[in-house]
Amino acid sequence: AQTVTQSQPEMSVQEAETVTLSCTYDTSENNYYLFWYKQPPSRQMILVIRQEAYKQQNATENRFSVNFQKAAKSFSLKISDSQLGDTAMYFCAFMTVSQGGSEKLVFGKGTKLTVNP
Amino acid sequence: DTEVTQTPKHLVMGMTNKKSLKCEQHMGHRAMYWYKQKAKKPPELMFVYSYEKLSINESVPSRFSPECPNSSLLNLHLHALQPEDSALYLCASSQGWGGLTEAFFGQGTRLTVV
Repeated sequence: AQTVTQSQPEMSVQEAETVTLSCTYDTSENNYYLFWYKQPPSRQMILVIRQEAYKQQNATENRFSVNFQKAAKSFSLKISDSQLGDTAMYFCAFMTVSQGGSEKLVFGKGTKLTVNP
Repeated sequence: DTEVTQTPKHLVMGMTNKKSLKCEQHMGHRAMYWYKQKAKKPPELMFVYSYEKLSINESVPSRFSPECPNSSLLNLHLHALQPEDSALYLCASSQGWGGLTEAFFGQGTRLTVV
């Protein structure tokens, strides 16, 4: 079974500063996808960034980047130049293909990030 | 169009009622999901449909009955629910071709069982 662990229930950061959210996962699969999703109070689940397990290069999307350490099964999210709009719940998620052939997406418990002015 | 549309946005139902949640996508995705999310908790997977067939049921009680009438639609039929079933129900879809791509989520239905 796949598990996703986020060890930081809550974090806060000052506007314009950098913050890193941690995520570790456990799997015996070789082929999988990792995601960070953001869920603001509006409750819409929004994709922040994604990383294919077979790619060694860390994914980057504007102010968001990941540090993907496959051997350590670690997938942290760095947010640079934090903005007030980044305040949200952040979920690390893991997708693989189940035995039945369908995709399966599971989430960590989440980290509540607050950006302070 | 990268939207997943869920209706209704809010639903209040009694424990003896029968209601349905609806989800629609027009991205050609062949995998569709139902998640249940309680306050301050992560989404919990309930069901996965792959090519219109139920492929994963995470031991969900039978008072929740999923249905996939076609590749664009996903329903969740509700009957004899309990107050503890009150939650945000999220629908999602992904490519479903084994390509392991991102899942797109709807805005959810906030369900209250009274």
